[in-house]
Amino acid sequence: AQSVAQPEDQVNVAEGNPLTVKCTYSVSGNPYLFWYVQYPNRGLQFLLKYITGDNLVKGSYGFEAEFNKSQTSFHLKKPSALVSDSALYFCAVRLRMDSSYKLIFGSGTRLLVRP
Amino acid sequence: DGGITQSPKYLFRKEGQNVTLSCEQNLNHDAMYWYRQDPGQGLRLIYYSQIVNDFQKGDIAEGYSVSREKKESFPLTVTSAQKNPTAFYLCASSPVGIHEQYFGPGTRLTVT
Repeated sequence: AQSVAQPEDQVNVAEGNPLTVKCTYSVSGNPYLFWYVQYPNRGLQFLLKYITGDNLVKGSYGFEAEFNKSQTSFHLKKPSALVSDSALYFCAVRLRMDSSYKLIFGSGTRLLVRP
Repeated sequence: DGGITQSPKYLFRKEGQNVTLSCEQNLNHDAMYWYRQDPGQGLRLIYYSQIVNDFQKGDIAEGYSVSREKKESFPLTVTSAQKNPTAFYLCASSPVGIHEQYFGPGTRLTVT
């Protein structure tokens, strides 16, 4: 089955330290991959996407993600975490549905950045 | 959240009542989507629509219905047939040729 996995329910990091939020996928063909962030009781905000090209993609708020085809991973990274980065992060992959597409989401990873 | 509005933010209903959640967008996007979010399960697709007067079932459509009479509006009705309706409901939209979706602020529905 085609799916997205986020193996960590929560990631804890100290402010100023680098952070990584992990995502692995299982889809056929070339994947289109996305990261979204959700603050409490809010909708999801788009952070970045990988479609093709350079394996390292840069997005909003200083986030970046590395696509690794051999490991089927798309980990989210940031060199220096901020307390304001604390939120729920979702990885997603785009799947074809007849004449359109849908997003399959991972279960989410809560990032907690302590001062 | 800009450009997509969902109302109300919080909604309370008694079991057995149908309830309609509003989703409006002023982004001129063709496609619109409804997701349900439950703790620890990520988002699951309920219904989606690519054009006006056309929509398709997603992964968990049972107990829900939608309409798409206008490009900017995609209301979701949670019927009494939905066995576990309490959840956070998110509406999203996307333009043709753009891969990512843009989300509204969500409606938290509580059914007792």
